[in-house]
Parts: sequence; C-alpha cells; structure tokens
Amino acid sequence: GQNIDQPTEMTATEGAIVQINCTYQTSGFNGLFWYQQHAGEAPTFLSYNVLDGLEEKGRFSSFLSRSKGYSYLLLKELQMKDSASYLCAVINTDKLIFGTGTRLQVFP
Amino acid sequence: DTAVSQTPKYLVTQMGNDKSIKCEQNLGHDTMYWYKQDSKKFLKIMFSYNNKELIINETVPNRFSPKSPDKAHLNLHINSLELGDSAVYFCASSQEGPSSYGYTFGSGTRLTVV
Repeated sequence: GQNIDQPTEMTATEGAIVQINCTYQTSGFNGLFWYQQHAGEAPTFLSYNVLDGLEEKGRFSSFLSRSKGYSYLLLKELQMKDSASYLCAVINTDKLIFGTGTRLQVFP
Repeated sequence: DTAVSQTPKYLVTQMGNDKSIKCEQNLGHDTMYWYKQDSKKFLKIMFSYNNKELIINETVPNRFSPKSPDKAHLNLHINSLELGDSAVYFCASSQEGPSSYGYTFGSGTRLTVV
C-alpha cells in the first residue's frame, strides 16, 4: 500500500520557525515534493528532493532521508501569508501521490 | 497567460445529471492529470494521459470518462452524478511525467451535487 503521513494541523507565531514532518511508505520512490495550497486555490510547487539532504530556497528548506522514509519542510521567519495547507507528495513510478496535508495557521 | 486553465470554476447540479469539466494547458507538457480533492482536502489521482493516451486509471467509477482530443486538452465527463461526487477537481500537467518541477495545477472546479 501507499502511506504518506503528515500532522493534520499546526500553529505558529509570526516571525517564528516551524517544521512540518512527512513520513512515507510507498512501493516506489522517484522523488518527493512539497506543495503549498491556500484555501480555495490550486497547489503550488515549493520544493523537490530526490537525494538525501537539505535543499534550501529562501525562507523555505526541505530535507529528505530515503532510508528513513522521512522528509520535513522548514519555514523560517514566518509571515501571516504562510497560513496555508502544506502537502507532501511522493513520485511513485509515474504518478504523484499526495499525503493528507498539514494546515498551518500563523498568528500575530 | 494562464498555464493550466479549467472551466467552469463552480458547478452546481442535481443528482443524476451529466456534466463536463474542461482543461487546457499552454505549457507544451506531454502529460495531463485529473485529481479529486475531497472535503478533508485529500488530493487523489484519478487519471493521467500522455500524448492523448490513457496511462493511469485509478479505481474510479466508470461514470467518469476522461477525453483527450489533443495533448493540450484533457476533459472530464461525469455521468449520473451522485452526492458523493461533490468535491474540487483539479487538472494538472507535467513534462514527460513527474519531473523536478512537479505538476502545474489548474485553479480547480468546485462541483456540488444537490
């Protein structure tokens, strides 16, 4: 089977750092994505990891450990506009399988 | 300018009706997809097409029929709509299957069956 697990909800304060974890068990693995989705909008691409390690992109970083089936998305210097759902997704052969998503609320 | 466009954005219809959702991409991508996002915000793949050929057909009722007249278009036709079909349907595209750029999603079609 395919399992991609994330916490359902998280809260954080403006200016803080938050880490959203994702664990996966899939029959195949060709890479892991993080997407951001604001309410009522389409998911938008944030990051892609295929090798172990940390990928940094501005305020956002994503980490992957293939041996542990684990990834996290790190958001620094949180802003109110970062309130959204964050979706972890794994490429399994020819399709992108999404986790349940984590709804992040940022408070002033 | 819109990379992946879907119409309509909202669709309210009665049970038993037949409806279609259209999707077009101008990115020159080879592969297009339909995803369903339920009330719990879980995105699940339904179909994928590569150059007009069906590649993935997840366990979707055969009331759902995708049609791809060319590689820039992938429409979704739904027969005999049921209450459980209410969801947001997202079209997406990618170059040669998933790549390091992932998928580009359309803005979604919110389908409400009453």
